[in-house]
Amino acid sequence: AQSVAQPEDQVNVAEGNPLTVKCTYSVSGNPYLFWYVQYPNRGLQFLLKYITGDNLVKGSYGFEAEFNKSQTSFHLKKPSALVSDSALYFCAGLSGGSYIPTFGRGTSLIVHP
Amino acid sequence: KAGVTQTPRYLIKTRGQQVTLSCSPISGHRSVSWYQQTPGQGLQFLFEYFSETQRNKGNFPGRFSGRQFSNSRSEMNVSTLELGDSALYLCASSAGQGNTGELFFGEGSRLTVL
Repeated sequence: AQSVAQPEDQVNVAEGNPLTVKCTYSVSGNPYLFWYVQYPNRGLQFLLKYITGDNLVKGSYGFEAEFNKSQTSFHLKKPSALVSDSALYFCAGLSGGSYIPTFGRGTSLIVHP
Repeated sequence: KAGVTQTPRYLIKTRGQQVTLSCSPISGHRSVSWYQQTPGQGLQFLFEYFSETQRNKGNFPGRFSGRQFSNSRSEMNVSTLELGDSALYLCASSAGQGNTGELFFGEGSRLTVL
């Protein structure tokens, strides 16, 4: 069985400050991990993924995520938040042999001007 | 390359009716997945089709069904609508050859059941 947890329903950050959106996973074997973003009344957009290799993954719009195997975490980060980053963020995980990712419940990121 | 197209974008139905939603995947993508998104339950997986075959199925009642055509376009149908079926229904496509690729989502079909 695989599960993905996003412990925060909402994250508030001031524009220009660094942001972190947390994700922990429970996936058998070597996990495949993803981050998606959803703007209001839109579908989800892919941000980045970790398959193997370097633990720091860089993605779209200046976002990056750090894979930490010992802590089973895959936190999304950005050095300087923009108001336009305000959206709903989903972490997803997948184990080898499965075709269907498990999504976290989502974290609402609010960036204040 | 055109993205994933879902129609209709918005629709209103009454309890007991049935609805059909359509999804056209990215050209060349053979896998289509459907998700239900609600504020209370988050994203829930409905089913996935690959090359016209249902490859995976989520935990939804039989009122929810789908199919995929030879051109990879997919439809999902919900019969005997209930108030709780009000949701954003998202379709996603992927190349489907392996499982390391990202999903490409459509804008969704927002269903309101009155």
